[in-house]
Amino acid sequence: NAGVTQTPKFRILKIGQSMTLQCTQDMNHNYMYWYRQDPGMGLKLIYYSVGAGITDKGEVPNGYNVSRSTTEDFPLRLELAAPSQTSVYFCASSYDDRGNQPQHFGDGTRLSIL
Amino acid sequence: GNSVTQMEGPVTLSEEAFLTINCTYTATGYPSLFWYVQYPGEGLQLLLKATKADDKGSNKGFEATYRKETTSFHLEKGSVQVSDSAVYFCALSDAGGTSYGKLTFGQGTILTVHP
Repeated sequence: NAGVTQTPKFRILKIGQSMTLQCTQDMNHNYMYWYRQDPGMGLKLIYYSVGAGITDKGEVPNGYNVSRSTTEDFPLRLELAAPSQTSVYFCASSYDDRGNQPQHFGDGTRLSIL
Repeated sequence: GNSVTQMEGPVTLSEEAFLTINCTYTATGYPSLFWYVQYPGEGLQLLLKATKADDKGSNKGFEATYRKETTSFHLEKGSVQVSDSAVYFCALSDAGGTSYGKLTFGQGTILTVHP
């Protein structure tokens, strides 16, 4: 069972570069999420999607963009990388919109901006 | 808005010791509560959950009870093992259709268990 797959696992970027973090899930979940994890800060929601073609901002969306053209894929784009975006990024998915069921997480992408 | 507060860490215990990690929350309505665990180099995994007041979630010897009167969801285990060393996150999700399952996390507690 693949579940939620994130690529790449590690990446180093220079300030001002752009990149796309990939996320795909094979569970046919409608709901997908992007979080960032900073040391001692827990996870913060960046963007989420409730289905193909529908996305919305989370708590910390500045500097990021997302798209959802298919149920399976939910890429996260950084247009102008800044040192403040150094973090570990997690993608998650769920079939439940009422908050009663858990989210399934990928293994994360560790991103450093130098 | 919603918030989750976990006890300050890190926590270091000897094998077979009793574990408690405190978690309190602030939320409108009646949230669902979760404990997630993160092993080194991995993503988060659900450890246990509770969806209404007085529910007890349990898994792998861990337990937590949803206490509405004290807005708490403390994690406990009677006898920890070295393999329990990980980061533990308390989280909540607003119940209801407009919540879209979004999670609010605590800051995480690092647990290290020594032989």
